[in-house]
Amino acid sequence: QQPVQSPQAVILREGEDAVINCSSSKALYSVHWYRQKHGEAPVFLMILLKGGEQKGHEKISASFNEKKQQSSLYLTASQLSYSGTYFCGTAQSQQGGSEKLVFGKGTKLTVNP
Amino acid sequence: GAVVSQHPSWVICKSGTSVKIECRSLDFQATTMFWYRQFPKQSLMLMATSNEGSKATYEQGVEKDKFLINHASLTLSTLTVTSAHPEDSSFYICSASRTSGLSQYFGPGTRLTVL
Repeated sequence: QQPVQSPQAVILREGEDAVINCSSSKALYSVHWYRQKHGEAPVFLMILLKGGEQKGHEKISASFNEKKQQSSLYLTASQLSYSGTYFCGTAQSQQGGSEKLVFGKGTKLTVNP
Repeated sequence: GAVVSQHPSWVICKSGTSVKIECRSLDFQATTMFWYRQFPKQSLMLMATSNEGSKATYEQGVEKDKFLINHASLTLSTLTVTSAHPEDSSFYICSASRTSGLSQYFGPGTRLTVL
């Protein structure tokens, strides 16, 4: 089942903060976050594997609430380069023992000067 | 590390022809490779999961005979779109994972246009 992302779109001014949420109706075992710029392939941001885990890189961080079956991505003091569409992906097991990612519909983030 | 390449970057072909897209993991061995399709302003839709040396697992609604996947080695997977039609025009992206369940690293994508 596809995770639900909110908001669908957000427009910021440089330096402002944003939060993108990803929730699932199924139990979550891991959440993967990616950013995709127009015409390019998605770029891996981070993966959260354990409930309660929080991670960050520079001014982008994420948390994973296993009980609530949701994850949030935090963008602090946004930069122009943060513009793009952010996808969360949730892992689902499939035949043969491998896992696949099911992606949300994406959140389009626009950072203006 | 974790670089994935795709070839070609774009291709324009006539309706009815077949197109092959290559996906390579350049600096790691990928036990699993994935093929996605993305239409404009939409999310990534998984087409199939490919494990080296075994048959690909296709998602519901994806025709196995139309989208042929070969995962011949731990660094190479190919997707062949057979008898392509204009509705197959899309952005095809592969990803590779060292181990199932861990991070997927995406290739740069291949834009297919079928005339």
